[in-house]
Amino acid sequence: QVQLQQSGPGLVKPSQTLSLTCAISGDSVSSNTASWNWIRQSPSRGLEWLGRTKYRSKWYNDYAVSVKSRIIINADTSKNQFSLQLNSVTPEDTAVYYCARGSSSNWYFFDSWGQGTLVTVSS
Amino acid sequence: QSVLTQPPSVSAAPGQKVTISCSGSSSNIGNYYVSWYQQLPGTAPKLLIYDSNKRPSGIPDRFSGSGSGTSATLGITGLQTGDEADYYCGTWDTTVSAGNWVFGGGTKLTVL
Repeated sequence: QVQLQQSGPGLVKPSQTLSLTCAISGDSVSSNTASWNWIRQSPSRGLEWLGRTKYRSKWYNDYAVSVKSRIIINADTSKNQFSLQLNSVTPEDTAVYYCARGSSSNWYFFDSWGQGTLVTVSS
Repeated sequence: QSVLTQPPSVSAAPGQKVTISCSGSSSNIGNYYVSWYQQLPGTAPKLLIYDSNKRPSGIPDRFSGSGSGTSATLGITGLQTGDEADYYCGTWDTTVSAGNWVFGGGTKLTVL
């Protein structure tokens, strides 16, 4: 059974970088069938997919258009985890952030989620 | 405003049946399978349905998914008070750039 454990600060100052990590157990970040995603949720924006990383003989990243200029998702194979960096944050980035595994059958879906981290952007 | 449209709320009595709709377009539901998620208060979303009508192991057959054209539907029969939650549909959308995963705005289910 896959488990995802999130870690990272709950408070970030405006203009700084939000950084979160998601540790994976029960699967490998280098899996050839899974993708590793970041999704956030706020009252104003609902559930919003931010991006993903996946390994298919080499690493691929996809990012949501809304954050593409500010986001980096990286995999750390030595620690079997992946991370989110969101630069130049504003109060609008305040949300609960989730990591999630993407799996596929005929199409993709998210079958395992982290516990969520409330990140508040405030000075 | 979400790309996928869901009713904000639905309600029904225990034991009854309820359906939750998810309306999209040819850029999303019309060309990609839908998944549904249940979010109990204070918890992360949980996968209920994938590929529009398949249930992961452990999900009771009271939950079902269907779809036609640019719409999808989640059905829940034999409602229980424990089913009170927010429900979200999601799929891939190609309206912008190479594509984006999108979710509906969510539907709050109240079991009266």
